[in-house]
Amino acid sequence: DGGITQSPKYLFRKEGQNVTLSCEQNLNHDAMYWYRQDPGQGLRLIYYSQIVNDFQKGDIAEGYSVSREKKESFPLTVTSAQKNPTAFYLCASSIEAPLEGHYNEQFFGPGTRLTVL
Amino acid sequence: RKEVEQDPGPFNVPEGATVAFNCTYSNSASQSFFWYRQDCRKEPKLLMSVYSSGNEDGRFTAQLNRASQYISLLIRDSKLSDSATYLCVVNGGGATNKLIFGTGTLLAVQP
Repeated sequence: DGGITQSPKYLFRKEGQNVTLSCEQNLNHDAMYWYRQDPGQGLRLIYYSQIVNDFQKGDIAEGYSVSREKKESFPLTVTSAQKNPTAFYLCASSIEAPLEGHYNEQFFGPGTRLTVL
Repeated sequence: RKEVEQDPGPFNVPEGATVAFNCTYSNSASQSFFWYRQDCRKEPKLLMSVYSSGNEDGRFTAQLNRASQYISLLIRDSKLSDSATYLCVVNGGGATNKLIFGTGTLLAVQP
């Protein structure tokens, strides 16, 4: 089955630790994205990548880092510099170069809930 | 002004009712519009794309008004299973596929 997987589903971290969230897709999508969702707020874009070995900062990139060494994978590292890391993290992917009639829908993985203790 | 604005609700409606949500967006350069559905503590799932001519998928109808920069979603014959948060999503314009998400409208369908 094609889809996007994220692991782990739940993650607990002590203050001062870096953690890496996994995101893998087998949809052959070019573009991948990381969002965080906080209660009562819309999804906010952390980083995105339109092609392998290239990525750009989103609206709230401070305290995060990413890599895109393979088309299928876009891991996110939450560093100790991120002041409020507790959140629901969502990874998404899309066809970047759409065919006519397609609207670049993004498809989401099941998410990772990160809690900093 | 927020880039995408929605009434947070909640909308409490009885089963079988018709309910409509509106959403406004600020970027006149936006070209793509979507409604996503998000269940509690789950990921958003694409409900439908919104085309210029309007589109219908079963009990769901989406409309786009570019002149007034708003999008609507109509749900007919509401089911208990329709209870969820509905996210209005608009692309940010420009060369990238950045999407801007509204904060969502909560729908609770009552038996």
